[in-house]
Order: sequence, then C-alpha cells, then structure tokens
Amino acid sequence: EVQLVESGGGLVQPGGSLRLSCAASGFTFSSYEMNWVRQAPGKGLEWVSYISSSGSTIYYADSVKGRFTISRDNAKNSLYLQMNSLRAEDTAVYYCARVGAPGCSGGSCYYYYMDVWGKGTTVTVSS
Amino acid sequence: EIVLTQSPGTLSLSPGERATLSCRASQSVSSSYLAWYQQKPGQAPRLLIYGASSRATGIPDRFSGSGSGTDFTLTISRLEPEDFAVYYCQQYGSSPRWTFGQGTKVEIK
Repeated sequence: EVQLVESGGGLVQPGGSLRLSCAASGFTFSSYEMNWVRQAPGKGLEWVSYISSSGSTIYYADSVKGRFTISRDNAKNSLYLQMNSLRAEDTAVYYCARVGAPGCSGGSCYYYYMDVWGKGTTVTVSS
Repeated sequence: EIVLTQSPGTLSLSPGERATLSCRASQSVSSSYLAWYQQKPGQAPRLLIYGASSRATGIPDRFSGSGSGTDFTLTISRLEPEDFAVYYCQQYGSSPRWTFGQGTKVEIK
C-alpha cells in the first residue's frame, strides 16, 4: 500500500524550532518529487515547500523562506521539514504529499499534481 | 502570482443533484497544471482530477473536470452522500509554485 506518515508535530513556543518527518512506503520514494502543504485551523491549503527526487532542486513559499528547510534521505525513504523561528501563523496541520508522475494521454498532458497525501501532523506555535 | 478564485463559497444541494464548482484564475493557466482535490473533515485532501480533466485512480466517473485558460469546472453529476465535502482547485506556476483556491464547501440541503 502506498503510504505517507508524518510525525514530529507538537506545541512549541514562538521563536522555537521543530523538525517534521514523513515516512514513505509502498513506492520507490527516490523516484518522486515531494511537497509539504499546510492548513491553518479552519483555513484552506497552503503549499510550503518542494524538493526534487534527488534533492537537488528546492523551492519555498515566501512565507517560510529563510526559516524552513526541506530535505530528504532516499536511503531511509524519508522526507523532512526543519522549521526554525516559528511564529503563531505557522500553526497548522502539515501534510507531506507526493508529486504525481508527469505524463500524457489522449493528447492531454499532466504535471505537478499531488496524488498521495499523508494524514498530517499538527504544529501549534503558542506561548 | 496567479490567484485562483472558487465559486460559490458554499453549495447547498440534495443527494442526487448535480454540482457545478467553478475555479477562475487571475491569468491564464495551463490545463496540464490544474488539479482538483476533495477534503472531508479531519481528513487529508484526496486527488480527484489532474490535468484539468483526468480522473485519479479510483475516482468514480460521476466526477468530471473541464475548462481551459482562466475558467475551470468540477462537475459531480449526481451527488452521493459521501460527496459532501470541501473541494479545492490547484495550479502550478512560477511563484509560488503551487497555489490553491480558497475552497468550495458542498453541503447537504
């Protein structure tokens, strides 16, 4: 079964740090690009960060740039998000999500969708 | 930055009715980069549609996606009880790389 399981969330004070992990199973992790997406309480989805399959290409949302670091260990089938200088507005459920394989079918092509999601881990930033 | 605006915010319908959800982009979006997700309370989002019109694995054929340019639509032909949820459209662009619409809630009338 294809699965992503996040861990590492919790309560942290403003200015503190937290490291999230995402364990992948049921597929060849090293072949897939990955994302972190978050959802503040009662709000919509916000993309946070992307990492290519090899780890050589990384992107961040402006809201987390300079504070968060995405990484992966393909030997351990794991994705990480190091979160520093946390703020109240970082409070959210954090999901890891697999970027689906690109392709074309019937004259139409598709890219950059997220086809597998973990259940999420909750991060609360509060004093 | 491309902004996705979903309408309506809430859609109140009865089981068996047809649901039409709109996703409008502030500038033209490649159909190849447009996806739709379903999210139920307390659950992670689930991919429904990718490439604007391709159904994800295991998604019933009552779900269909269409559109191009700045206007995209998710249609649920006949609502089943399990379809009442929040739906998000998503596009891929330059900065930020991925953006989502604010969501449309489909609720039981």
